[in-house]
Amino acid sequence: GQNIDQPTEMTATEGAIVQINCTYQTSGFNGLFWYQQHAGEAPTFLSYNVLDGLEEKGRFSSFLSRSKGYSYLLLKELQMKDSASYLCAPMDSNYQLIWGAGTKLIIKP
Amino acid sequence: IAGITQAPTSQILAAGRRMTLRCTQDMRHNAMYWYRQDLGLGLRLIHYSNTAGTTGKGEVPDGYSVSRANTDDFPLTLASAVPSQTSVYFCASSDGTFSYNEQFFGPGTRLTVL
Repeated sequence: GQNIDQPTEMTATEGAIVQINCTYQTSGFNGLFWYQQHAGEAPTFLSYNVLDGLEEKGRFSSFLSRSKGYSYLLLKELQMKDSASYLCAPMDSNYQLIWGAGTKLIIKP
Repeated sequence: IAGITQAPTSQILAAGRRMTLRCTQDMRHNAMYWYRQDLGLGLRLIHYSNTAGTTGKGEVPDGYSVSRANTDDFPLTLASAVPSQTSVYFCASSDGTFSYNEQFFGPGTRLTVL
């Protein structure tokens, strides 16, 4: 079956760095997306990885290891506005996104 | 209109009633999707459409139907609502169905079935 595993909740301090891990099992693989979702709002796109390695985009970076079925999202210089849920979503062989339940990130001053 | 709009924003519905959730996009995207989001669960795909005139079933299609008469609109219909359909519904679109096409989401419809 298809399965996504990511921590339910994490807490970090403003200005610090946090890494949100995601492991996945899917029927085929066509890349992995990370989305951000603030409470009561729609998900918004953060990153896409299809090859192994690190993709950096400003304060956010995303890493993928296809052989390990593993990805992480790295957030640097945390700001209070980064308090949100972060959704890991690999794409299966049918080009459908398989969504994790999300990691709720709480930023404390 | 800019992006994707959904209507209504929220709705309380009696069980057994018929309800249509509306979704419109102005980005000329080929693919559109309907998801439901429940507490503690990931987004689950209900139905999708790769292009106007075609639709497909997702992970949880039972009790729902869709149509795609044109590129812009993708309504979701609950023929006879049940309490288990209480959820937040998101419509999304993407430029295509290829792996690199990100999905853009509407603001969601919060539906309560009593």
